[in-house]
Amino acid sequence: AQTVTQSQPEMSVQEAETVTLSCTYDTSESNYYLFWYKQPPSRQMILVIRQEAYKQQNATENRFSVNFQKAAKSFSLKISDSQLGDTAMYFCAFDGNTNAGKSTFGDGTTLTVKP
Amino acid sequence: KAGVTQTPRYLIKTRGQQVTLSCSPISGHRSVSWYQQTPGQGLQFLFEYFSETQRNKGNFPGRFSGRQFSNSRSEMNVSTLELGDSALYLCASSWRTSGDEQFFGPGTRLTVL
Repeated sequence: AQTVTQSQPEMSVQEAETVTLSCTYDTSESNYYLFWYKQPPSRQMILVIRQEAYKQQNATENRFSVNFQKAAKSFSLKISDSQLGDTAMYFCAFDGNTNAGKSTFGDGTTLTVKP
Repeated sequence: KAGVTQTPRYLIKTRGQQVTLSCSPISGHRSVSWYQQTPGQGLQFLFEYFSETQRNKGNFPGRFSGRQFSNSRSEMNVSTLELGDSALYLCASSWRTSGDEQFFGPGTRLTVL
């Protein structure tokens, strides 16, 4: 079974600075998908970024980028120029191709951006 | 395009009762998944439906069940409620069963007294 580990339950960053959220996963599959989702306080979960494992190039979406290390099974999220609106819980998720279930989520990292 | 909707948004039940939660996916999405979110256990996968068939099921007791209708709308049912079932239940829809972004609904907050 796949597992996803987010080792930082809480983090904080000053507005305009850069922060990196960590995620490691365990799988025996060679082709899979990784996601970062954001859940703002009392608001719906939305996708931040998606990475396909067979693509070596790291995904980027504006201020958000990932550092995908397939051999190390690591998938960290970097947020540049942090904004107050980035305050949220961030979940790392793994989506494989087996019938073991839909996405496996990490326990989440609560990020607070301070003014 | 309308997002994923869930009804009701809030629900209070007592132990032993049963509850039915509803989810309407984004138009055209055929995969609907349900998750239980609690502070202590994070986001736990309940089950996934695709074209009216349960494709996957998480590690939950048989008291948790679901179904999907021909219009892709989905319901989940919890029978004989326990205090530990208090949680936010999230529904998510996507085009395919694997690899696609999931679009989440606002959730149903269930409180069991």
